[in-house]
Parts: sequence; C-alpha cells; structure tokens
Amino acid sequence: NAGVTQTPKFRILKIGQSMTLQCTQDMNHNYMYWYRQDPGMGLKLIYYSVGAGITDKGEVPNGYNVSRSTTEDFPLRLELAAPSQTSVYFCASSWPGTGGTGELFFGEGSRLTVL
Amino acid sequence: EDQVTQSPEALRLQEGESSSLNCSYTVSGLRGLFWYRQDPGKGPEFLFTLYSAGEEKEKERLKATLTKKESFLHITAPKPEDSATYLCAVQARSKNYGGSQGNLIFGKGTKLSVKP
Repeated sequence: NAGVTQTPKFRILKIGQSMTLQCTQDMNHNYMYWYRQDPGMGLKLIYYSVGAGITDKGEVPNGYNVSRSTTEDFPLRLELAAPSQTSVYFCASSWPGTGGTGELFFGEGSRLTVL
Repeated sequence: EDQVTQSPEALRLQEGESSSLNCSYTVSGLRGLFWYRQDPGKGPEFLFTLYSAGEEKEKERLKATLTKKESFLHITAPKPEDSATYLCAVQARSKNYGGSQGNLIFGKGTKLSVKP
C-alpha cells in the first residue's frame, strides 16, 4: 500500500512554462486535495475533488487547473508559470467515512521553483 | 474571519525536558481541531482530532487537550526523534466543501528541536 504518491519531487521551471504535477492514491479515497506550503505560512488549499469528475476551487486557485478522471488520480496543471508559484505542493486524500475527523493522508510533496 | 495561531514559532528542548505547544483559534462553529506532525522534506502526518472542549487524546509522549479558545500539545520527556514541525488545523461547521475536509484552516506550525 503506497498511499499518496506525487511526482516529480523536484522541478525547476522557467517563467511562462507549463507543467503537470502528478498525484495518485491507492486507498480508494473519494476526496482528494492539492495544497501549497510557502515558507513560514500555513498550508493553503488550491483545489479539491469529492469524486471522479467533480472538482472545485479552494482558497488559492488562480494559475492552476485540475482534473479528476479516475478515483486514483488527481493531477495539478500549472499554466504560464510565475515566480509566485514557487512553493512546495502537497497532494492529499481522505475517506468520507472519517467524516469530520480531518485525517488527511499526504504525499511527500513536490518542490517547484520558477525562475 | 476564521484563523489559527500557533506559538511559539520554534522551541528548543533538551531531551527529557517537558513542554507544551499552543494553538489558539477563532472559528465560526468548531467542527474539529487537528494536530499533524511534519518531518523535514515530508508531508504532514495525522496525530489527533479533538471535537469538544475538555477532550484529551494521548499517543506515546504526546497529549493533546482542547478548550473553547485553544488547544495544547503537551510533550512529556521528549526524545530527539520527536523533533519535527507540529501543525494545528481547525475545521469550521459554517463552511461546506462537499462534505470533505477541504475547509481545514492550518496554522503556521511550531518547529520543535529536541537535543540529546
């Protein structure tokens, strides 16, 4: 059971380039999330999904897009990268059965630098 | 506005020196308060959920408590392997993210260092 797997772990982009951060989970969780973590700041929700085909914006969605074609995969697309998108990105998942327990399962993160 | 404030930002302890981390919050209807541990270069790892004032949860050397305005994470006789950043998050009743946990508000964390 691998849990939540993110790729790549590290990436350097030039301003204006685009890329996709991959996230897959093998726990059959309905809910999936993308967060960004900036130094000295709390985790901020970018997008979330409550099931295949259903996605919605979080707190900081500008400059990003997501899709959820399967239960397992939840890729995050960065279009026209900007230095402000330099951050560590975390994918997470959770199971509806936990209700309000707040138990999110996180991946190990993808560190992105935009130069 | 819902918010979470953690203090101190950083805490250095000697092995065996007990202490507490604080998480104060303002939220419009608390659904739950959560503690996570984050090791360098890793994703956060779930520790506890607290739902109501007076509730306590324990795990090894860690004990989390909750009042109406704050939560404490007590660390008893810490060891170097307890060194990590501890994150606090709250979930409000007023915000509905399709039933998911997408409405968690995270604090900035307390970086704990335990020296042998």
